[in-house]
Amino acid sequence: AQKVTQAQTEISVVEKEDVTLDCVYETRDTTYYLFWYKQPPSGELVFLIRRNSFDEQNEISGRYSWNFQKSTSSFNFTITASQVVDSAVYFCALSGFNTGFQKLVFGTGTRLLVSP
Amino acid sequence: DTGVSQDPRHKITKRGQNVTFRCDPISEHNRLYWYRQTLGQGPEFLTYFQNEAQLEKSRLLSDRFSAERPKGSFSTLEIQRTEQGDSAMYLCASSLALGQGGEKLFFGSGTQLSVL
Repeated sequence: AQKVTQAQTEISVVEKEDVTLDCVYETRDTTYYLFWYKQPPSGELVFLIRRNSFDEQNEISGRYSWNFQKSTSSFNFTITASQVVDSAVYFCALSGFNTGFQKLVFGTGTRLLVSP
Repeated sequence: DTGVSQDPRHKITKRGQNVTFRCDPISEHNRLYWYRQTLGQGPEFLTYFQNEAQLEKSRLLSDRFSAERPKGSFSTLEIQRTEQGDSAMYLCASSLALGQGGEKLFFGSGTQLSVL
């Protein structure tokens, strides 16, 4: 079975603070993909990143960075110098070979509140 | 690129009534997905289409649920004899799939169903 755990239900920060959103996953697949999606109040999930299980390189995109560690089954997401516009619910998700790459298994999400 | 659109945005119905939702994907996308999201949870996979063929259905999709994508373009999701437990946000997503999966999904804003 596949499972994604986002233990942080809600995080509140003040603008310009750095914040890390945790994601821990479980899978028996050796080939899988990990994702992060952002869900602003409008409701539409927005793709942020995809990593495959063979690529453990960390990635940076502007203020966003991702740390993928297979040894701890984690795929954490850091926002540097947070802004009010970062306020949203962030979901980590997993798809794997055995259950079908087409099917995403999402975590329960972390609500990030950035206040001015 | 007009994005994925869903109609209606909100639907209130009485228990036992039938409801139908529509999803218009991004025009060149060959895969279309339906997910369901309840309050405080991540989206859960319901079903997906490759062009007009429905290739997988979740166990969540009971006999009261039916989805179609008749010409490989727009899709409809019908729920018959609605129950209060059907109350949720129904999300549609589309993608341009060139392989087995694991591709970036583009989500619509969802249809919020409330069953009274």
